[in-house]
Amino acid sequence: SQKIEQNSEALNIQEGKTATLTCNYTNYSPAYLQWYRQDPGRGPVFLLLIRENEKEKRKERLKVTFDTTLKQSLFHITASQPADSATYLCARSGTGANNLFFGTGTRLTVIP
Amino acid sequence: NAGVMQNPRHLVRRRGQEARLRCSPMKGHSHVYWYRQLPEEGLKFMVYLQKENIIDESGMPKERFSAEFPKEGPSILRIQQVVRGDSAAYFCASSTGPGQEYSGYTFGSGTRLTVV
Repeated sequence: SQKIEQNSEALNIQEGKTATLTCNYTNYSPAYLQWYRQDPGRGPVFLLLIRENEKEKRKERLKVTFDTTLKQSLFHITASQPADSATYLCARSGTGANNLFFGTGTRLTVIP
Repeated sequence: NAGVMQNPRHLVRRRGQEARLRCSPMKGHSHVYWYRQLPEEGLKFMVYLQKENIIDESGMPKERFSAEFPKEGPSILRIQQVVRGDSAAYFCASSTGPGQEYSGYTFGSGTRLTVV
């Protein structure tokens, strides 16, 4: 089956440091990988999308990489702030298939 | 420009009753998806619809669950004869579809179903 896994269930880091979250996939290369943020009691919010022919994407303090050799995406938050504390979800999709399949998420806590 | 609207936000049903969850996609979006999220678990795909068509229902339980997205009106996720195990948060999302304009899903705030 086509799995997507987020290695860490929880990650605690000090304010100001860079948070790095990992997403691994197996069995096939998705056309897109996407990252979402979810706060308690709320729906996920789309952050970034990276295509399989892109190595890196940036948006303000966020950076996503896509390594098709390692079958991995890394999500970085630089200069982290307590307001960045949330659960971050990785999701994959396939060419011609519009469905998204989500990992279980990594709960990030930024400590002041 | 309203986002994805889901109602109700909270729904309590007794075992054996029916639950109807509604979702109006974002303006300009023609693709609708339903997901279920159990406490401390990830989002599980249920069904993907376009207007008047079910595109993929591979994540939907075969019995008691159905979904529709009529030509007019919101998408409806219907759960018949609810059981305690159906208690969860149900999220609806919409998108424009794949291509250069594709910019991820927009999710609603969810419906929290509690079966008592």
